[in-house]
Amino acid sequence: AQKVTQAQTEISVVEKEDVTLDCVYETRDTTYYLFWYKQPPSGELVFLIRRNSFDEQNEISGRYSWNFQKSTSSFNFTITASQVVDSAVYFCALSGPTNAGKSTFGDGTTLTVKP
Amino acid sequence: GAGVSQSPRYKVAKRGQDVALRCDPISGHVSLFWYQQALGQGPEFLTYFQNEAQLDKSGLPSDRFFAERPEGSVSTLKIQRTQQEDSAVYLCASSLRGPGLAWNEQFFGPGTRLTVL
Repeated sequence: AQKVTQAQTEISVVEKEDVTLDCVYETRDTTYYLFWYKQPPSGELVFLIRRNSFDEQNEISGRYSWNFQKSTSSFNFTITASQVVDSAVYFCALSGPTNAGKSTFGDGTTLTVKP
Repeated sequence: GAGVSQSPRYKVAKRGQDVALRCDPISGHVSLFWYQQALGQGPEFLTYFQNEAQLDKSGLPSDRFFAERPEGSVSTLKIQRTQQEDSAVYLCASSLRGPGLAWNEQFFGPGTRLTVL
């Protein structure tokens, strides 16, 4: 069975603050993919990043960075210098071969960035 | 290029009514997924198609839920005799290739918000 836990239900920060969204996962697969999606109020899920379980290099894309630690089964997401437009629900997801490509999602973290 | 589209965007049904939700995937995408997203929760898998074949329907909550993709493109999710617990956002996603290959990104539609009164 696969499971994704996002312990933070809601986070509120003031613009320009850094914020980290936590994600912890469980899987029996040795090969798997991890994802982060953004869901703005419009409802559409927007893909942000995927990480192969073999690649533990941290990644930075602009103000976004991801910290994958296989030893602790965590895939945390940091937004640097947050902006009001970052306000959304963020989902962490997991996909592995035993699930034939379908994704298991966490319950999401609602991020509110105040001006 | 067009993304994944879903219709209707909003649907209100009286309990006991049948509803049909439509998904138009990205042209040429082999895989199509349906997810159900209850309020305050993450999407949960319902069913998966590879072309016209429904390869996995393990997530369908009851036999009132039925999905089809007869020509391997457009898909319809049908819910018979709707119940209040069916109220949720139904998301459709498509991806270019089938499972078992190198990962390929799922593109999600905007969803259909179903409210059962």
